[in-house]
Amino acid sequence: AQSVTQLGSHVSVSEGALVLLRCNYSSSVPPYLFWYVQYPNQGLQLLLKYTTGATLVKGINGFEAEFKKSETSFHLTKPSAHMSDAAEYFCAVSAGGRRALTFGSGTRLQVQP
Amino acid sequence: DTGVSQDPRHKITKRGQNVTFRCDPISEHNRLYWYRQTLGQGPEFLTYFQNEAQLEKSRLLSDRFSAERPKGSFSTLEIQRTEQGDSAMYLCASSSAGQGRKNIQYFGAGTRLSVL
Repeated sequence: AQSVTQLGSHVSVSEGALVLLRCNYSSSVPPYLFWYVQYPNQGLQLLLKYTTGATLVKGINGFEAEFKKSETSFHLTKPSAHMSDAAEYFCAVSAGGRRALTFGSGTRLQVQP
Repeated sequence: DTGVSQDPRHKITKRGQNVTFRCDPISEHNRLYWYRQTLGQGPEFLTYFQNEAQLEKSRLLSDRFSAERPKGSFSTLEIQRTEQGDSAMYLCASSSAGQGRKNIQYFGAGTRLSVL
């Protein structure tokens, strides 16, 4: 079985501050990990993915995430928050050849001016 | 590449009525997925097609739900005898078998269902 836990349903940062959104996964086999962003009344947009290879992955809009197997984590970071980053962020996992993605419950990011 | 398209964007219906949603995947994507997202939660997997074959169904997909992909292109999701608990955003995603096991799914904007 696979699962995802996102710590913190709401995160608030000031514009220009570091963004850190936490994701821990559970999987008995090597996982594929994803971060998606969702703006109000819209679908999900892929930010970045880890499948194999380099454990530090870079995505769109200046976001990056690091796969840490020993910590079963895949935290999302951005050095400097922008007002346009305000949205809901979802971490997801697929593993063991399953096609279905298992999502976390999401983290709503607020960016204060 | 026009992205995943879903229709309608919003549907309001009365309890007990049947509703049908349509999803058009990215052209040449042979895998298609349906998810349901309730307020404040992440999407939950409902079902998955490879070409026209429905290969996996979640326990969430009760007998009132049926999905089809008759020609391996667009898909429909029908909910019969809707209940208030069916109110949610229904998301469609597609991916290409050419990715191998990487399973990179691209999502549509969703259909928001409100059951009164």
